[in-house]
Amino acid sequence: QVQLQESGPGLVKPSETLSLTCIVSGDSITSYYWGWIRQPPGKGLEWIGYIYHSASGSTKYNPSLKSRVTMSVDTSMSQVSLKVNSVTAADTAVYYCARLGANYYFDFWGQGSLVTVSS
Amino acid sequence: EVVMTQSPATLSVSPGERVTLSCRASQSVITNLAWYQQKSGQTPRLLIYGASTRATGIPARFSGSGSGTEFTLTISSLQSEDFAVYYCQQYKTGVNFGQGTRLEIK
Repeated sequence: QVQLQESGPGLVKPSETLSLTCIVSGDSITSYYWGWIRQPPGKGLEWIGYIYHSASGSTKYNPSLKSRVTMSVDTSMSQVSLKVNSVTAADTAVYYCARLGANYYFDFWGQGSLVTVSS
Repeated sequence: EVVMTQSPATLSVSPGERVTLSCRASQSVITNLAWYQQKSGQTPRLLIYGASTRATGIPARFSGSGSGTEFTLTISSLQSEDFAVYYCQQYKTGVNFGQGTRLEIK
């Protein structure tokens, strides 16, 4: 069964770049789309984007975050990465990595990584 | 953007009751609709995709229905472990989540 493990700094300063990595095990990273979702403390889920491994790095981002988000796939390391630049306190959230099923729903989720934006 | 609206925001119910949660899309998503359960402090879990197909390992008491803009998630007989927040998600055009419905013990 697929397992997803997010990792990255728990604290990021305002205006800096948030960087997270999701290590994929138990499944082929080249067989699926992979996505990121975030959840501010006490609030609902917000889709960030998803990516496929192809040479073109096919991606689709939430329009509201598109200008600040970059995703990538490293097939040699079996990991998916997320970068969000110019962060503010509003970017404080638990960030989840997830596998996309046959269509664009999320069938397996990582445990999540809490990122706090604060000086 | 497709706006997903869930109702009610909170529902107080007793174990054993049948409960129906609603999700409305601002435009047709056909049957590109999923439901998730999130227990307190836990990761969301996929319950339903394609509006009505149960995900692997999901008990039969969970059922989904609807198409177009109106969807429902029904739990036929609430168990203690079902008290959680439930989210709908459309995936016809990008991805959008509803704001969630919290099921609490009456």
